[in-house]
Amino acid sequence: GAVVSQHPSRVICKSGTSVKIECRSLDFQATTMFWYRQFPKQSLMLMATSNEGSKATYEQGVEKDKFLINHASLTLSTLTVTSAHPEDSSFYICSARDIGTDTEAFFGQGTRLTVV
Amino acid sequence: GQNIDQPTEMTATEGAIVQINCTYQTSGFNGLFWYQQHAGEAPTFLSYNVLDGLEEKGRFSSFLSRSKGYSYLLLKELQMKDSASYLCAGMDSNYQLIWGAGTKLIIKP
Repeated sequence: GAVVSQHPSRVICKSGTSVKIECRSLDFQATTMFWYRQFPKQSLMLMATSNEGSKATYEQGVEKDKFLINHASLTLSTLTVTSAHPEDSSFYICSARDIGTDTEAFFGQGTRLTVV
Repeated sequence: GQNIDQPTEMTATEGAIVQINCTYQTSGFNGLFWYQQHAGEAPTFLSYNVLDGLEEKGRFSSFLSRSKGYSYLLLKELQMKDSASYLCAGMDSNYQLIWGAGTKLIIKP
């Protein structure tokens, strides 16, 4: 199956700093990538939809100036958590849609962010 | 509104069979997904159904009835490693996934 690589898998940062998370589709082209957030024992919460070459579409309640998304190519999207606070500590997961199948089926391995 | 319902938790015995049900309501329909998620890890794709019927893939099978807005995931010959959360997700007309809260499956020896 298609492979989506997400990096880093774990990151600890100080409050007030910024963290960048990368999501790459390794063996397919992804016109659309999705960024999710997941709190413990809860399901995935869609944060934003990232389309290659255009601005991301953010879900209601998600601050676009805080969670910067860039989808510069068909294989790479990045999420930057700016001025991180402890409440931003969470599990962030990306997924990518394969142009060929046009279904969202593949997730990155997730990034555990801890803000101290 | 859009909604996905699935049981919160189920318990089964190693070697047995378990069926996890999911009902969905989406604006338009472009398929139903099942994912497996172990604690602390990202979800792993299990199956995708867009037509009515049963799709079999090894020990796992998934069923869809579009007229009833219903799907189930069937796990056979349960192994301890199958202990995980199973997420049901429906894809709407905009190709957005609507997620259920997940069913935590506990396997007992």
